[in-house]
Amino acid sequence: DTGVSQDPRHKITKRGQNVTFRCDPISEHNRLYWYRQTLGQGPEFLTYFQNEAQLEKSRLLSDRFSAERPKGSFSTLEIQRTEQGDSAMYLCASSLGQGARGNTIYFGEGSWLTVV
Amino acid sequence: QQPVQSPQAVILREGEDAVINCSSSKALYSVHWYRQKHGEAPVFLMILLKGGEQKGHEKISASFNEKKQQSSLYLTASQLSYSGTYFCGTERGGSNYKLTFGKGTLLTVNP
Repeated sequence: DTGVSQDPRHKITKRGQNVTFRCDPISEHNRLYWYRQTLGQGPEFLTYFQNEAQLEKSRLLSDRFSAERPKGSFSTLEIQRTEQGDSAMYLCASSLGQGARGNTIYFGEGSWLTVV
Repeated sequence: QQPVQSPQAVILREGEDAVINCSSSKALYSVHWYRQKHGEAPVFLMILLKGGEQKGHEKISASFNEKKQQSSLYLTASQLSYSGTYFCGTERGGSNYKLTFGKGTLLTVNP
């Protein structure tokens, strides 16, 4: 059973460095989401892809953040010039969407980022 | 608009029941419930759709009041494994199929 996989699971980086996270969604899932979660909070939406098209970005996503999903399969989330406030768990999720709403969204185990 | 969950935390003894509520100020298409254990991914429990359809876990029940935009998750005969943080995620029409999550309800089940 292959679920949503994320890599790396943990990353410690110095302030100002760039980091990149990778997400492999469940096979054939055409919708892919990135969320951010900090301690004591629910997941917070960052961005959404339908196949390779990035259809929505949260206003929380500063220009230091960029996400891609080339060929509509895996996705990467890059954070440039990291700041301590970027420390969080970055969650990737995917769903099989065929126009209808109410599709199950499955989450990966997350990538923990600590900026020191 | 973030949904509001209540209570923020609840402590149970094994075998007791609990109800977790989720409310939104906006019209919803669906409500999704997840459970998350510390350091792990949120795990899907149930979807409640506008119109009454439900999809999900056999041992967990939930309701969705479309008029009030409120959902409740019912945990009966709780087990130790039910411990974790429960999140509701709400889906609105025109929202690009994304979910907006509440702050969560921490459930602790003790022996």
